[in-house]
Amino acid sequence: DQQVKQNSPSLSVQEGRISILNCDYTNSMFDYFLWYKKYPAEGPTFLISISSIKDKNEDGRFTVFLNKSAKHLSLHIVPSQPGDSAVYFCAARDPGTYKYIFGTGTRLKVLA
Amino acid sequence: DAGVTQSPTHLIKTRGQHVTLRCSPISGHKSVSWYQQVLGQGPQFIFQYYEKEERGRGNFPDRFSARQFPNYSSELNVNALLLGDSALYLCASSSSGGSTYEQYFGPGTRLTVT
Repeated sequence: DQQVKQNSPSLSVQEGRISILNCDYTNSMFDYFLWYKKYPAEGPTFLISISSIKDKNEDGRFTVFLNKSAKHLSLHIVPSQPGDSAVYFCAARDPGTYKYIFGTGTRLKVLA
Repeated sequence: DAGVTQSPTHLIKTRGQHVTLRCSPISGHKSVSWYQQVLGQGPQFIFQYYEKEERGRGNFPDRFSARQFPNYSSELNVNALLLGDSALYLCASSSSGGSTYEQYFGPGTRLTVT
């Protein structure tokens, strides 16, 4: 069963505009959520995280929003840059098993 | 500071063989996790070790095993390799202290089983 879902396999955005990447989860016990960026032939790079007790966390151009009632989180990138083009993964931590469960990723392409 | 390092970078093995992958965490990090990533999917959790003890295990067969050493480095072992074990194997480290749980990944080991 897919406990963490990224329903958009790909997204294209113009440079300078906002990129919004979405993630849904099913387990209300998840206590921590993370976003990673991955380039080909590299390991995922940590971007930003949020605890389940918060609803927003911001770091520079990146903001993560958490809606616990909807079991939904989103990553906003403003303004988008061509260097942001990569695959983005969301992940959730299960505090009972210590597992981090990843979504299948969204490929973001920022057009110059 | 050096990030998470993994060795080897690439590996080609034959079905039925055994493989050992190695990982050194970020200095000061006491927790290491292993993941398998196949093309088109997100990383799948295999193991987490903290202070040399297994703390979590994913849905992988017993052919997969791991251990963590006193210096917090780790090895992932896979026995009786199958073609389906071909994947990118990722190691991630975290401090597992305080109120944050960020994991930092290494570059991965690309395993090809023929």
